[in-house]
This record gives sequence, C-alpha cells and structure tokens, in this order.
Amino acid sequence: NAGVTQTPKFQVLKTGQSMTLQCAQDMNHEYMSWYRQDPGMGLRLIHYSVGAGITDQGEVPNGYNVSRSTTEDFPLRLLSAAPSQTSVYFCASSSVGANVLTFGAGSRLTVL
Amino acid sequence: EDQVTQSPEALRLQEGESSSLNCSYTVSGLRGLFWYRQDPGKGPEFLFTLYSAGEEKEKERLKATLTKKESFLHITAPKPEDSATYLCAVQHNNAGNMLTFGGGTRLMVKP
Repeated sequence: NAGVTQTPKFQVLKTGQSMTLQCAQDMNHEYMSWYRQDPGMGLRLIHYSVGAGITDQGEVPNGYNVSRSTTEDFPLRLLSAAPSQTSVYFCASSSVGANVLTFGAGSRLTVL
Repeated sequence: EDQVTQSPEALRLQEGESSSLNCSYTVSGLRGLFWYRQDPGKGPEFLFTLYSAGEEKEKERLKATLTKKESFLHITAPKPEDSATYLCAVQHNNAGNMLTFGGGTRLMVKP
C-alpha cells in the first residue's frame, strides 16, 4: 500500500540545469497536485490535474511544467533551475469527489 | 483571495499542559477547513475536516472547532509524541480540490 511516492528525495542542481521530480500514486485518484513549501510561507500550489490529459496552473506556476499522460503519474519539470526554486516539493492526490489530500514524503531541491 | 493565518508560529508546552492553536481565515464561500499534522522530513498527514460553523471533531487528545472566521485546534494533556507542525488549510466552494494553507504552528511538547 504505497500511497503517493515521490522521487528523488534529495537533489542538488546548478542554476540553469533542468530536472524532473517524479510522483506516482496507486490509489486510482483522479486529482493530483504539486505544492512547494518554504519557511514561513506555508504550502503553495504549483500545478494540478483533474485527470489524464488535463492540467492547470496553481498559485506559483512560473518556471515549472507538468503533464498527465496516465492516472498514476504526475511529473513536475523544472526547465531551467533558479536559486528561487530551492524548496521542498510535495505531490498530493485525492479522489475528485473526496476532498482529503494524501501527500507524498516530499522532495528537497537545492539550486546553487 | 483566500487567506489563512495561523498563530502562534511556535508553541512550547510541558507534557500535560493543555493549549490551543488558532487558524484565522478569509474565504468567500467555505467548502471545508482542514487540519493536517506534519512531522519533520515527512509530508502532511490528514487530521480533520470541518464544514460549517459550530462543528467539532475529536481524535485522541485533539479537538478541532470552527467558527465563521477561525478554527481552533485544542490539545488536551499533550504528550511528547504530539510534537509536530500543525497546518490549517481552507477549500473554496469553486476551487475543486485545491487548498490554501496557512504557515503552520510548530508545537514542541517537553517531557
């Protein structure tokens, strides 16, 4: 019973590099989302998806790309990393009808 | 724009010393108010959902209450294992499953 799995757990990048944070869930949830967590600012929504092939922007989408080709996976892409993207990233999912989010364990990203 | 403010930012309690955490919110059309617990290095874990003013929910030493402007998380006779960051979030009527989070309260319970 894995729930929401995020990889990698830790990553260090140099400014300008690109990378993908992976998120997979095994609960058949239609809704998936990415949040970033910064000290004193709480969790802020980056992008979300209500089903395969459907994505939309959240509060802080700039510099990030997402796609949803399957129900299970929702990768987050950083196209050209910047120090301002240093943060802890959380993937979360839920059924569309149920509004309780299940979170992954997080991915800590440092951009030098 | 939905806003959530939690206070205090940090709270130190002795084991057995009861207290309350506050979550003030502004949202035009509340669908639900959520409380999550977050341990260091882990993702938030769901505790409660409250839907309407006057509603209360309990789980072990925790009780969550809701008014039209704020929610309280009451902790009765806390134990060291209750030490964590507690997050409050609101969901707008037209926001689907999106949540707006507060900054959290870091609770430390000393034996």
